[in-house]
Amino acid sequence: AQRVTQPEKLLSVFKGAPVELKCNYSYSGSPELFWYVQYSRQRLQLLLRHISRESIKGFTADLNKGETSFHLKKPFAQEEDSAMYYCAPLCRKLVFGQGTRLTINP
Amino acid sequence: DAGITQSPRYKITETGRQVTLMCHQTWSHSYMFWYRQDLGHGLRLIYYSAAADITDKGEVPDGYVVSRSKTENFPLTLESATRSQTSVYFCASGPRESSYNEQFFGPGTRLTVL
Repeated sequence: AQRVTQPEKLLSVFKGAPVELKCNYSYSGSPELFWYVQYSRQRLQLLLRHISRESIKGFTADLNKGETSFHLKKPFAQEEDSAMYYCAPLCRKLVFGQGTRLTINP
Repeated sequence: DAGITQSPRYKITETGRQVTLMCHQTWSHSYMFWYRQDLGHGLRLIYYSAAADITDKGEVPDGYVVSRSKTENFPLTLESATRSQTSVYFCASGPRESSYNEQFFGPGTRLTVL
């Protein structure tokens, strides 16, 4: 069955510390992969997409096809990074993971 | 940022009542989607539409009905609301189902079924 898993529902790190949000997927073929973010009182929005190989707000995401993972990383967390993060593989349709609520402590 | 709007933003209803949630987008995007967001489940796709008069089921379609007579509108109807349909509902649109294109989300509708 096609599935995406974000194993951490909650993640809390201190400001300035590295952060890694995990995402594992189980899909046939090679889905395109996205990270979406929802800041407090804002709409869900695209953070970054694998195909663009981009770094947005200091975040990068590495696709590991062998491990079928697409973890989101940032070397130095900032307080404004506190939000809900969703991993979303696209295989005909976007399927969202359960989400990880990231809290950055001052 | 009025590209995609939802109404109402908040709704309280009773079990058994019919409720319609509205979604309107001004971009002429081909694709439109309805999701529900629940604690522990993340976002789950209810229905989607590839174009006017074309709709298809998502992961959790039971108890919901959609229509798309115009490209810009994609209403979601709960024919007989149940408490398990208490949730936050998000509408989204996208230009096409392509790996490079993102979905744009509305602000959400918080629905409570008593």
